[in-house]
Amino acid sequence: EPEVTQTPSHQVTQMGQEVILRCVPISNHLYFYWYRQILGQKVEFLVSFYNNEISEKSEIFDDQFSVERPDGSNFTLKIRSTKLEDSAMYFCASIRGGQGKETQYFGPGTRLLVL
Amino acid sequence: AQKVTQAQTEISVVEKEDVTLDCVYETRDTTYYLFWYKQPPSGELVFLIRRNSFDEQNEISGRYSWNFQKSTSSFNFTITASQVVDSAVYFCALSDQNRDDKIIFGKGTRLHILP
Repeated sequence: EPEVTQTPSHQVTQMGQEVILRCVPISNHLYFYWYRQILGQKVEFLVSFYNNEISEKSEIFDDQFSVERPDGSNFTLKIRSTKLEDSAMYFCASIRGGQGKETQYFGPGTRLLVL
Repeated sequence: AQKVTQAQTEISVVEKEDVTLDCVYETRDTTYYLFWYKQPPSGELVFLIRRNSFDEQNEISGRYSWNFQKSTSSFNFTITASQVVDSAVYFCALSDQNRDDKIIFGKGTRLHILP
């Protein structure tokens, strides 16, 4: 069964450093998402991406964040200058089409720790 | 605005007992999807169910069952004959029908099944 993959599984970085989290969505999926879960809290929507552009973003997704689909398979989340409060689990998700006809498939997550 | 409320922060039951996790949602959309996800200690999000707002039939899957009551905006989840492996955080979630399909999560209920 196809699945969403994410790398790395864990990342530790120093405050102020740039990090790139990578995701490989399911191959025929067209809509991509990033979510964040601060330890012990709920999962929060960050951004959705379709047709090579952001379709919606939350207030969490400020200028420090960017997303990109650099090739036909990868979907990345970049944090330009990490802050302590960026420490969280980051989940990538994808669906094949819009209109809610599909279930969002979540990757296993990347646990980011900012020191 | 969309909102998902899981009033039970933490529940502990003894193995083999039945347990119900409550979920109440708010949305102005007439068409939407409701979800339950399980998050075991390992951290991944495990999809359990997706229910269309037009389908109010209750669903049973093994020891799991879901009760969707549109009149009370509730989508409760029952585990029958609970097992220690059911210990996890359970998230109820909601998505609307625009093309973005972002998912709004509740805060989760941490379920402890005691041996």
